[in-house]
Amino acid sequence: SQQGEEDPQALSIQEGENATMNCSYKTSINNLQWYRQNSGRGLVHLILIRSNEREKHSGRLRVTLDTSKKSSSLLITASRAADTASYFCAATSGSARQLTFGSGTQLTVLP
Amino acid sequence: EAGVAQSPRYKIIEKRQSVAFWCNPISGHATLYWYQQILGQGPKLLIQFQNNGVVDDSQLPKDRFSAERLKGVDSTLKIQPAKLEDSAVYLCAIELAGAIDTQYFGPGTRLTVL
Repeated sequence: SQQGEEDPQALSIQEGENATMNCSYKTSINNLQWYRQNSGRGLVHLILIRSNEREKHSGRLRVTLDTSKKSSSLLITASRAADTASYFCAATSGSARQLTFGSGTQLTVLP
Repeated sequence: EAGVAQSPRYKIIEKRQSVAFWCNPISGHATLYWYQQILGQGPKLLIQFQNNGVVDDSQLPKDRFSAERLKGVDSTLKIQPAKLEDSAVYLCAIELAGAIDTQYFGPGTRLTVL
């Protein structure tokens, strides 16, 4: 079963705009991570936020976590065409370090 | 993808045939994972290794899938016999000792079963 579910499934924006993707999960988590996957490639780790954190920044990325709502959001500011990819949230819970992935958001940034 | 090589990158077989995938981390990493990613979905864990031992293979269809880790480094995943629904990308990932909870993925092997 999938822990995280992303919303929207697909997002299309113009270059320079901000992109926001949301992730909801079902059980208590240790941390939540976001990964990017370009077409035909493996996943690349973007950012990790722990359950006791509420917000984290990395370059043009901003991640928030609301454990009371079991949700997270990923904001990409000033988007570029190169940001076009699928974005997945993944959570770890319990003693296992296994990642349980959502179904992803396909982001298209138009030049 | 840095640090995790996978081969082959693409494989096309007919149903009921056998296929094997290889994962070659450039250096030894204690924890190694195999995932199956069906088109349009997120990766699903198949098996987790810690050194040579299996930590979790609860989602591995053991009647047809098998995996092993050689000397705690390289790993192989085999499907015998393949079914149409096995068409997917098979991803290998490793975990660095200094950055647990963060996984580094290889480029994957895209399998098409006809």
